[in-house]
Amino acid sequence: DTAVSQTPKYLVTQMGNDKSIKCEQNLGHDTMYWYKQDSKKFLKIMFSYNNKELIINETVPNRFSPKSPDKAHLNLHINSLELGDSAVYFCASTSDTQAGEQYFGPGTRLTVT
Amino acid sequence: EDQVTQSPEALRLQEGESSSLNCSYTVSGLRGLFWYRQDPGKGPEFLFTLYSAGEEKEKERLKATLTKKESFLHITAPKPEDSATYLCAVLTGGGNKLTFGTGTQLKVEL
Repeated sequence: DTAVSQTPKYLVTQMGNDKSIKCEQNLGHDTMYWYKQDSKKFLKIMFSYNNKELIINETVPNRFSPKSPDKAHLNLHINSLELGDSAVYFCASTSDTQAGEQYFGPGTRLTVT
Repeated sequence: EDQVTQSPEALRLQEGESSSLNCSYTVSGLRGLFWYRQDPGKGPEFLFTLYSAGEEKEKERLKATLTKKESFLHITAPKPEDSATYLCAVLTGGGNKLTFGTGTQLKVEL
């Protein structure tokens, strides 16, 4: 029974296109995150939502727009994709009482050509 | 700004050869330090939480320790299945934000 799932696993698209990544967690957690992991494996937080409310919004281009329809789902929409957006995007979730103990999804490898 | 530095970047060990990974941090208001393991093509997997200097946690061949400036992940008699990238992260601020280090890629050979 998958705890944090993401779709799609791989995404190959051309520059200028718009794409979305979806995330779902069945752990009953209140907080969900989007991270970006670059080619050097550096993992950097992008956004976090707590119970559908945006809590963390790091310095990312406004082409990236997260959306949380309910506390179990967090989506990431990216407009006008650029080569530099190529990376692995991870969704994660956690409970409010164990904020550092995060459960990560399998990742979405985005390749922009 | 919070900073987390891990060393070495890569480490190659023979099976049974014990060693330590280092995570040094410069943060304001540390709320916790966390170790994660990441296998190729997968998301990070939580290993340990450390809250205060002097604290230690153990799990199988791994032991994590914490001082006021750094944390160590000691690996005793490693096996090939311990091969992975080990990430440390610090929790600071009120927004439950984790700042990760760049990781240590460990390879254990027979």
